[in-house]
Amino acid sequence: EDQVTQSPEALRLQEGESSSLNCSYTVSGLRGLFWYRQDPGKGPEFLFTLYSAGEEKEKERLKATLTKKESFLHITAPKPEDSATYLCAVQSQGAGNTPLVFGKGTRLSVIA
Amino acid sequence: GAGVSQSPSNKVTEKGKDVELRCDPISGHTALYWYRQSLGQGLEFLIYFQGNSAPDKSGLPSDRFSAERTGGSVSTLTIQRTQQEDSAVYLCASSLLGYSGNTIYFGEGSWLTVV
Repeated sequence: EDQVTQSPEALRLQEGESSSLNCSYTVSGLRGLFWYRQDPGKGPEFLFTLYSAGEEKEKERLKATLTKKESFLHITAPKPEDSATYLCAVQSQGAGNTPLVFGKGTRLSVIA
Repeated sequence: GAGVSQSPSNKVTEKGKDVELRCDPISGHTALYWYRQSLGQGLEFLIYFQGNSAPDKSGLPSDRFSAERTGGSVSTLTIQRTQQEDSAVYLCASSLLGYSGNTIYFGEGSWLTVV
């Protein structure tokens, strides 16, 4: 069974204090790993898709990296507007299409 | 439309009543998904539609839950005889093709409260 574990559950940072969020996963062959951002009362907003170990993607202050067992979302010099819940999901290879399996998310608070 | 549209945005219903939740996917997207998000929990897969293929219903929690997609576009999720444990945010998403690595875009969700 595919599983995704995100840590920490919650993270509080001062503005400008860089850190990383972790997403550990087990899948029967990875088709893709996805990062989403979710603001309170909103639907998840797509950030990145990573397909193979060693791949990295960047967007503004965010950089996502992938190994064979985990992914990191690095946040450089965060600002208060980066406060949100960050969700990680995996899609496994299989016969036909397989649903995304999500972790429970990391709730990030950035304090000015 | 510009994004995935869901209605109603909020619904309060009495235990035992039936509810219908609607999803309008992004125009041209052939794949449509329903997920459920309960307080403090991750997103839980419910059902997936891809073109004219038979839907993947493997995530539906009970036979009180059903969904249909008419004309390959709009989808309705129906919950019969609602229970308090059905209270959650129901999220719809769509993508251009099936799961194979295409970006999946979510709507804002329908917040269901069963009292």
